[in-house]
Amino acid sequence: AQKVTQAQTEISVVEKEDVTLDCVYETRDTTYYLFWYKQPPSGELVFLIRRNSFDEQNEISGRYSWNFQKSTSSFNFTITASQVVDSAVYFCALIMEGGATNKLIFGTGTLLAVQP
Amino acid sequence: DVKVTQSSRYLVKRTGEKVFLECVQDMDHENMFWYRQDPGLGLRLIYFSYDVKMKEKGDIPEGYSVSREKKERFSLILESASTNQTSMYLCASTGAGESYEQYFGPGTRLTVT
Repeated sequence: AQKVTQAQTEISVVEKEDVTLDCVYETRDTTYYLFWYKQPPSGELVFLIRRNSFDEQNEISGRYSWNFQKSTSSFNFTITASQVVDSAVYFCALIMEGGATNKLIFGTGTLLAVQP
Repeated sequence: DVKVTQSSRYLVKRTGEKVFLECVQDMDHENMFWYRQDPGLGLRLIYFSYDVKMKEKGDIPEGYSVSREKKERFSLILESASTNQTSMYLCASTGAGESYEQYFGPGTRLTVT
C-alpha cells in the first residue's frame, strides 16, 4: 500500500525563521514521483515541485529547498527566512509511475502560520 | 497557463437537494479528478475520469456520481445532498504524459444545511 505521512499538523513560526516541513512516504514501487503543493487561504493548490525516485539530488529554488532521502523514505521541505506570504497549508503527495489514471496520494497537510 | 475552473466558489444547499459541481479545463487533458478536502483528512479522491464517458471510483465514491460528456468538462453530482457532504471540493486535471502533475481548480466550498 502507498501512504504519505505529514506528522506535523500545524507549525507556527515568526517571520525570518527557517522552517522544515516533514514528509514520509511508503511504497513498494521502485519508480514513483513525489510532489509538494501549497494551498494558500484562497484555496487553490499550487504546484511547487516534482521529484522522481531516481533523482535524489536536493533542489533549491529561492528560499525553498527540498531534501529527498530514499534511505529514510523522506521528502522534506525547508523554507529559509520565512515570510508572512508563506502562510498556507502544504501537502506532500506520491504517485506511481504508469497507468492511465495518475492517482495522487496526499498526506494530510501541514498548516504553516508565519507571524509578523 | 493551464486553467481549471469550477462553477462556484461557495454553495449552500439543503439536505436532499440534487447538487451539480462543474469543472472545466482548457488544456485538452485526458485525466480529470474530483477530491474532497476535510480538516485532518487531507484530500481524498472521489472519482476520476481518464477519457470521455469513462469514469472510475476513487476512495470515497459513496453518495456521489460523475459525468464526463465532453473532454474539457467533468461534473460531480450529489444525488441527494446530506450534511456529511459539507466540504471543500477540488477538481484537478492532468495530461497523459509523464509529468503526472495535477492542475487544480480554486475549489468549491459546499455547505449542506
